[in-house]
Amino acid sequence: DQQVKQNSPSLSVQEGRISILNCDYTNSMFDYFLWYKKYPAEGPTFLISISSIKDKNEDGRFTVFLNKSAKHLSLHIVPSQPGDSAVYFCAASGMSGNTPLVFGKGTRLSVIA
Amino acid sequence: DVKVTQSSRYLVKRTGEKVFLECVQDMDHENMFWYRQDPGLGLRLIYFSYDVKMKEKGDIPEGYSVSREKKERFSLILESASTNQTSMYLCASSLQASRKDEQFFGPGTRLTVL
Repeated sequence: DQQVKQNSPSLSVQEGRISILNCDYTNSMFDYFLWYKKYPAEGPTFLISISSIKDKNEDGRFTVFLNKSAKHLSLHIVPSQPGDSAVYFCAASGMSGNTPLVFGKGTRLSVIA
Repeated sequence: DVKVTQSSRYLVKRTGEKVFLECVQDMDHENMFWYRQDPGLGLRLIYFSYDVKMKEKGDIPEGYSVSREKKERFSLILESASTNQTSMYLCASSLQASRKDEQFFGPGTRLTVL
């Protein structure tokens, strides 16, 4: 039973346009959300996070939006660049410290030049 | 910067062999994790550890065991490797009681079992 769902396995976007990656969760106890980016043959790297007390967090070209009532978050990348082509994982946490993150299955983003 | 290192980037083993995957982190993190990544299945948690000599089963512990004798080192053991254990294995660590819960990942070990 997936608690964190990324329903789009892949996404293609033209360079310079906006990329929107979506993530849904089912557990209302989750209160902290993270996005990771993974290139082939490398480990995932942390990209951006958001606490449930916020509805938006921005870091350069990356913005994460959180809609708690819909249990939905999205990652916006604008403008998209070819170097953004990677697999993006959404992750959620319900408690600090000891609880492992719960990951979605990932979305493969391809930015076409 | 946190650094998580894994002993091998690529490994080829035969069915039935005992396989050790080593992971070391240098930031004094209490928590360490082992995942495997397979196409279409995302990151699946195998085992994790909150402290030295502590271990907890993740979502897919069958066929694996772990060892944490020192805080900085977390080993994943395949007692008798099978072809369905061919995968990318990722180790991660995090600071306990960190509200951010950010996990830092190693570069991964691509294991092929023939």
